[in-house]
Amino acid sequence: NAGVTQTPKFQVLKTGQSMTLQCAQDMNHNSMYWYRQDPGMGLRLIYYSASEGTTDKGEVPNGYNVSRLNKREFSLRLESAAPSQTSVYFCASSELGHPNYGYTFGSGTRLTVV
Amino acid sequence: KQEVTQIPAALSVPEGENLVLNCSFTDSAIYNLQWFRQDPGKGLTSLLLIQSSQREQTSGRLNASLDKSSGRSTLYIAASQPGDSATYLCAVSSKAAGNKLTFGGGTRVLVKP
Repeated sequence: NAGVTQTPKFQVLKTGQSMTLQCAQDMNHNSMYWYRQDPGMGLRLIYYSASEGTTDKGEVPNGYNVSRLNKREFSLRLESAAPSQTSVYFCASSELGHPNYGYTFGSGTRLTVV
Repeated sequence: KQEVTQIPAALSVPEGENLVLNCSFTDSAIYNLQWFRQDPGKGLTSLLLIQSSQREQTSGRLNASLDKSSGRSTLYIAASQPGDSATYLCAVSSKAAGNKLTFGGGTRVLVKP
């Protein structure tokens, strides 16, 4: 099925461990995003990539890095996980700035840092 | 700075009633507005996208209206069913946010059989 695929779906990390969340889209969208969702805080943008080869910080970038590997793939890396990074992470894609196109979201990664 | 508000935060109705969900935004310079549905523990499913030049969009029992000048959108769900129970999120893409999405806090809906 066409859409946004995220892996893994669940992960438990110990404080200080690192990991990479993977995201791939097959809709030929130029723009990709990483959000985190926390109770009472809603969805907050971590990083985005307006087009292949570019990345920019969002609202809450501290503690994260990203890589736009190619047009399809956009990964999020936690170098040294902290309990405050326990959250649900969503990847999305769209055509940034085009009013005809909305966002498509992946099913999410539930991350727990202990 | 664009801010998006959804009221009420939670809503409970008996099956068969029509649902009315409200979304307001502070900056009317938007590209589009999107309504999403989120089931517990799941991702976001896009329901309707309204471009800034449009007044409404319809899909089955769902109808969303947009009044840009007053900064409001309303999602109507006709003849609600227990399967409509979910959280509904409104999000706008606006110049103030660099064309990126700004989300409301969501309305949690429970449809009782």
